[in-house]
Parts: sequence; structure tokens; C-alpha cells
Amino acid sequence: EPEVTQTPSHQVTQMGQEVILRCVPISNHLYFYWYRQILGQKVEFLVSFYNNEISEKSEIFDDQFSVERPDGSNFTLKIRSTKLEDSAMYFCASFSGFNTIYFGEGSWLTVV
Amino acid sequence: GIQVEQSPPDLILQEGANSTLRCNFSDSVNNLQWFHQNPWGQLINLFYIPSGTKQNGRLSATTVATERYSSLYISSSQTTDSGVYFCAGRGFQKLVFGTGTRLLVSP
Repeated sequence: EPEVTQTPSHQVTQMGQEVILRCVPISNHLYFYWYRQILGQKVEFLVSFYNNEISEKSEIFDDQFSVERPDGSNFTLKIRSTKLEDSAMYFCASFSGFNTIYFGEGSWLTVV
Repeated sequence: GIQVEQSPPDLILQEGANSTLRCNFSDSVNNLQWFHQNPWGQLINLFYIPSGTKQNGRLSATTVATERYSSLYISSSQTTDSGVYFCAGRGFQKLVFGTGTRLLVSP
């Protein structure tokens, strides 16, 4: 099965620090996503990205979040000033426009 | 937007039992996927099934798009089937996840 790669797998950060989560989507895919899952809860949509710009974002995706595709292969999620409630698993996903949306293994973020 | 509901929320089975998990969605979907979230938190793709029936080993899934539901059938359950099962539907671009079914298979 095609693979979406995420790094780091786990990060612990101090409240107020900036965090960058990285993703390598499947090559030739056109749509990229970030999702968040707080422990024990459902998987929530954060943002979708198409044609080098945000195509849709949720209410969760406020000004402290940003996404970027800096070099045509990586897709990053930046959290500018982390809060305790940002502690969650963050999933990157990749989609060709047809059939299956593929998810990475996730990045656990713990804010202390 | 699309709403996705799953039932039951929790399910406890003895090893070897069969089970059916249900997913209802509020609007037409272009895509319906089933995932298994393992104890490490990884989302494992089980099925892409916008309509019809598919089988993969002991698992099978059926989506009836006109009735806006999908079901996942697990036969002869094993302890390794434990975890959370999510269905997710896509309208235009994004997948919307249901709240999941937490399955515990005891030996």
C-alpha cells in the first residue's frame, strides 16, 4: 500500500513553544490534509490543501496554525504557540482525487 | 456538512464470535472508508467502499449508498481485532469521521 510518512512520531514541547510537524505525502497526489485526534476522541478535520493553497479549514484551525508545502514534497503543520489543549495525535493524509485517502502513522504531540 | 454516526459505541466479544458494526451518514458520499485504529494509535485502512460489498479475509464491508449506511462484519473475531473502528465519509474533498466503535475481544 502507498505510504504517507510523518515525523516526528512523538514530540514533547513546553507550552508556548512553536512546533512543526512534517509529512511526506504520496508522490503525484494532489490533495493533502491534517487531522487531529485528542486522546479517546474522534478524528477531527483541521485543514485541506490543494494547488498550493488552503482549500478548506475547520474552526479548530485558527491563527496559531499554518500549513506549508515548502519544497514540493514535504507538507508541514506549524503550531505557533502551543497550548496544553493542543496535546493530541496529528495525522497527515494524502489523496490523488480518486478512491482511497491515505493516512500517515501520526505524530503524538504532548504539551507540558 | 456530512454527519457520520456509528453504532454501537462499545462492543465486547468472546474470541470466535461474529459482529456487525454500523455506520450511518447524513448525506450522499463519494467515498466511504473503514479504518482500524490499533493500540499504538495508527489508522489502518480496511476498506474503500463507496458502494457494494468487499471482503478481505475475516472482514467484509457493505455500503448501500441509497440508504446512506455502511456496515463492517467481523467473523471469528480474534484478540488482535481489538481496537477502535472508524468509518469516514467524503462529500467533496475531506473525510468526515464517525465517533468510532470500541471493540474488545477477550480470549
